[in-house]
Amino acid sequence: SQQGEEDPQALSIQEGENATMNCSYKTSINNLQWYRQNSGRGLVHLILIRSNEREKHSGRLRVTLDTSKKSSSLLITASRAADTASYFCATLGFGNEKLTFGTGTRLTIIP
Amino acid sequence: EAQVTQNPRYLITVTGKKLTVTCSQNMNHEYMSWYRQDPGLGLRQIYYSMNVEVTDKGDVPEGYKVSRKEKRNFPLILESPSPNQTSLYFCASRSKLYQPQHFGDGTRLSIL
Repeated sequence: SQQGEEDPQALSIQEGENATMNCSYKTSINNLQWYRQNSGRGLVHLILIRSNEREKHSGRLRVTLDTSKKSSSLLITASRAADTASYFCATLGFGNEKLTFGTGTRLTIIP
Repeated sequence: EAQVTQNPRYLITVTGKKLTVTCSQNMNHEYMSWYRQDPGLGLRQIYYSMNVEVTDKGDVPEGYKVSRKEKRNFPLILESPSPNQTSLYFCASRSKLYQPQHFGDGTRLSIL
């Protein structure tokens, strides 16, 4: 079953604008992770945020986590054409090996 | 270079012909997993392994087998492939339970 649900399913923005993607999940988590997938390729880990963290930054990426609402957001600032990809959130429970992925947000950056 | 290597990258085969997709990681990771990715369904876990000789079912294990005889290798076996197993498959590994995963580049299987 899907734990994470991303919103929107697809997003198109102009280069230089900021992109925000949201993820909602259903059960308690140890951490939430964001991955990027270029078309047909393997997923690349972007950032991991633990359940006791509220915000995390990595370069142009900013992730927030609200455990009371069971939701997370990924913000990409100053977008570039190379950011065009699908973005997935994935949740990991406590003592549970399984990393459960959402269905992803397809981001297109228009030059 | 740290990596997860899958082979083959592409395969077209016929129903019932046994096939194996290999996966190897060079990072000495304990945890390894197999996923399939289908449009609109995201990634679904097929099997996972927490260490040598320790494997368990994921969400969609039917029709698949795995083995973990060595730490670095985690092959996925389709004993009698069927068309509904046509999909994009990914192998992944991680060092510890709460760490991020490293993914291979994927194997696109078409079962006719």
